[in-house]
Amino acid sequence: QKEVEQNSGPLSVPEGAIASLNCTYSDRGSQSFFWYRQYSGKSPELIMSIYSNGDKEDGRFTAQLNKASQYVSLLIRDSQPSDSATYLCAVNGGNTPLVFGKGTRLSVIA
Amino acid sequence: SQTIHQWPATLVQPVGSPLSLECTVEGTSNPNLYWYRQAAGRGLQLLFYSVGIGQISSEVPQNLSASRPQDRQFILSSKKLLLSDSGFYLCAWSVAAQAFFGQGTRLTVV
Repeated sequence: QKEVEQNSGPLSVPEGAIASLNCTYSDRGSQSFFWYRQYSGKSPELIMSIYSNGDKEDGRFTAQLNKASQYVSLLIRDSQPSDSATYLCAVNGGNTPLVFGKGTRLSVIA
Repeated sequence: SQTIHQWPATLVQPVGSPLSLECTVEGTSNPNLYWYRQAAGRGLQLLFYSVGIGQISSEVPQNLSASRPQDRQFILSSKKLLLSDSGFYLCAWSVAAQAFFGQGTRLTVV
């Protein structure tokens, strides 16, 4: 069974710090990797996608992928209180549905 | 641009009553469509997905069913709700791996 594991948190960081969120996955055939942000009571919003090993940067967000270690991470630089949310890691292997982790709750303290 | 509509936003239903949740997508053709459920404090559970009209794959055996009568319409149904059916139901669409969610329906079975 395909699994995606995340630390549930909460992860607390001070405002302005770097938040580091981690995710591991079980299916070596996985090809696409995503990070979603979900505010309380709202639906998930896609914030990053990554498909090849290495880093991908978009504004304050950097996604990192290491397929050999089956590991994907999300770094949030200059964290803001508005970044406080649950971050979901999602993985799929081509034409299969996304498999989601249970999410990590991030709290940015002002 | 593509948009996804899901309704209603909230729903309170008695045990044993029927359920019908509808989702429509605009601005794209032949999308993959999904129904997920998120129970309180838990991750996203894939319920059904569809790669085309009339094609439904069920991931979790339960008293729910899904139908896709038109290319961009996806319906989640139940003949008799259980207390355990309470949760946050999310419709999503995808083209080329990335998935995008509707606003969600918060269902409370009482």
